[in-house]
Amino acid sequence: KAGVTQTPRYLIKTRGQQVTLSCSPISGHRSVSWYQQTPGQGLQFLFEYFSETQRNKGNFPGRFSGRQFSNSRSEMNVSTLELGDSALYLCASRRGGDTGELFFGEGSRLTVL
Amino acid sequence: GQQVMQIPQYQHVQEGEDFTTYCNSSTTLSNIQWYKQRPGGHPVFLIQLVKSGEVKKQKRLTFQFGEAKKNSSLHITATQTTDVGTYFCAGNNNDMRFGAGTRLTVKP
Repeated sequence: KAGVTQTPRYLIKTRGQQVTLSCSPISGHRSVSWYQQTPGQGLQFLFEYFSETQRNKGNFPGRFSGRQFSNSRSEMNVSTLELGDSALYLCASRRGGDTGELFFGEGSRLTVL
Repeated sequence: GQQVMQIPQYQHVQEGEDFTTYCNSSTTLSNIQWYKQRPGGHPVFLIQLVKSGEVKKQKRLTFQFGEAKKNSSLHITATQTTDVGTYFCAGNNNDMRFGAGTRLTVKP
C-alpha cells in the first residue's frame, strides 16, 4: 500500500512569506503528526491531528498552524517566515489512538532566504 | 512539559565494536519507541517497548526499558557498516517526543 506522501519535497521562500505543506497519510490512518527536523535538534514535535481535531501541540509560535481534512489529509502552514524556519518538515501517520508506530513521509525541505 | 534527552550525540566506532545509545525522560512514559534514520532518509520504526524492565532483541540489537519507565537504551553488538545512521528514541506520554538522536558512523 502507498506510504505517507508529502508535497512539495523542496521549496525555497524568502523571509516574510508564508508556506503551506501537505501530507497524505497511509490509507486508514487517522492520526497525522508534524515534526521539524534541523541539524543537531532532532525532531521537534509541532502538532498532532486526529479525526480533524488537534490533539496535541508542541512549543512552537502561533505562526505554525495546521489542519486535518475529513479524508485525514493534513496541511501545515507557516506564516511570516524567518530564516530559522529553514528545516526538514516531516509528517508521520499512524492508525489511531496514542500508541503504535509512526510511518514517516520523505519530508518537505524548506529553505528560507 | 515532557523532555527526552538522548546521549551521546555522536558515536564513531570501528566495524565490529559495540555501540550503545541512552535515552532519559523527565516524566514517566507509557511506552517508548526507537527509530533509525539513514543519511538522506526518513525515520523508520524499529521497536516499541511498553512494560517496565522490558528487554527486546532484534538480531544484534538489544532494547531495554527501565524499571521506572523513564529511561531506555539501544545496544548494537558487533556493528556493521549497514548500521550507519541516526538512532532516535521517542517517548510517548500523550504525545510522541523525540530525543535529539545519536549519529552512528562505522569505520570499515
